[in-house]
Amino acid sequence: GAGVSQSPSNKVTEKGKDVELRCDPISGHTALYWYRQSLGQGLEFLIYFQGNSAPDKSGLPSDRFSAERTGGSVSTLTIQRTQQEDSAVYLCASSLGRSTEAFFGQGTRLTVV
Amino acid sequence: ELKVEQNPLFLSMQEGKNYTIYCNYSTTSDRLYWYRQDPGKSLESLFVLLSNGAVKQEGRLMASLDTKARLSTLHITAAVHDLSATYFCAAIWVSGGNKLVFGAGTILRVKS
Repeated sequence: GAGVSQSPSNKVTEKGKDVELRCDPISGHTALYWYRQSLGQGLEFLIYFQGNSAPDKSGLPSDRFSAERTGGSVSTLTIQRTQQEDSAVYLCASSLGRSTEAFFGQGTRLTVV
Repeated sequence: ELKVEQNPLFLSMQEGKNYTIYCNYSTTSDRLYWYRQDPGKSLESLFVLLSNGAVKQEGRLMASLDTKARLSTLHITAAVHDLSATYFCAAIWVSGGNKLVFGAGTILRVKS
């Protein structure tokens, strides 16, 4: 596609439910990043994929969070047993490699009620 | 660990004035990026700085990189209202698996 695509754009879920957030990177981009941005805050790094592997998972806030990437393309961020503090905008970005800028999707706004 | 610090975090300025946003990073990095974010929107890439002494300009914005000082600057010339946004710098943490680390952002408000 022309840009990074994220779905859904908005998600409202009840506390305790599981959610899946999807990121479709720009075709051919090998690097993929997930970030979280709470209202009025900066970007909190969650996880980075190079191809299908994630060299660094240290940013995941708890074991309720997991992410995978298949076929070097689509990535899914899963949050189990959601809590209200998980409410935020989840941003995905992709890049050709570390020497080029990362392009961001429009984000998924997650609200846990 | 790579830490990226921006200052100021909030900047209110009059139209027509000049100002500079500073971005310091704590460990070696050879890639520095500047992004713009409008309220409720995602991040838009502004500049990619790849080497010491790199300078890039787009309109009223000019970015530079000094890898020895571990400092990048974003200079705003003759500010206009349309530049109001949040500006983020980010650096690649090479020894940290090429993680892209962001500063906290600078909220810029240009008053007419």
